[in-house]
Amino acid sequence: DSGVTQTPKHLITATGQRVTLRCSPRSGDLSVYWYQQSLDQGLQFLIQYYNGEERAKGNILERFSAQQFPDLHSELNLSSLELGDSALYFCASSARGGERIYNEQFFGPGTRLTVL
Amino acid sequence: DQQVKQNSPSLSVQEGRISILNCDYTNSMFDYFLWYKKYPAEGPTFLISISSIKDKNEDGRFTVFLNKSAKHLSLHIVPSQPGDSAVYFCAAAPNAGGTSYGKLTFGQGTILTVHP
Repeated sequence: DSGVTQTPKHLITATGQRVTLRCSPRSGDLSVYWYQQSLDQGLQFLIQYYNGEERAKGNILERFSAQQFPDLHSELNLSSLELGDSALYFCASSARGGERIYNEQFFGPGTRLTVL
Repeated sequence: DQQVKQNSPSLSVQEGRISILNCDYTNSMFDYFLWYKKYPAEGPTFLISISSIKDKNEDGRFTVFLNKSAKHLSLHIVPSQPGDSAVYFCAAAPNAGGTSYGKLTFGQGTILTVHP
């Protein structure tokens, strides 16, 4: 158990809908990262938040947005869903902002999103 | 453009023997490297990391070697155990002016099977 929790575990929805994925980092971790793992691709970095502020951005679609709240939990919002958004979405946390020697990220179990 | 490549999709090894997983990268800005292990239906689990100022890091049965000139790293598992059977991902992080932001770039993964 990494200490990172994600809800829900599974989500099935229809095209055009909007969903929210939730992540609680390990106790004390300030950074939260979101990754997408599609069937035909590896883990793709989406976005990082550090202590409530956006820190780094990857290839995140404009239809996707995220935020980190004062209690450090994070939510990833996916809107106008398309079939191709079906994937595993992982959240990870790390102790600090990503400084080199503290770059180990601890992953949650993931949310499996299926768009029908 | 795949900046981190694991060219072997799978590897099969006998219990007790050495497993060697390989990873190549193209981005010269990467200077911190990590290996993660992933079981089905779970998130990736951090295994071991190495900074570019080193060429070897050891932790129990796991050793990571880094060859900067060849932009190549490898993970050695000795001795291999059936419980090591999983997907192994290498990941790389950039050096951004002394602090390495959290964006990890992952390889596609190698499925390791250790036979009893």
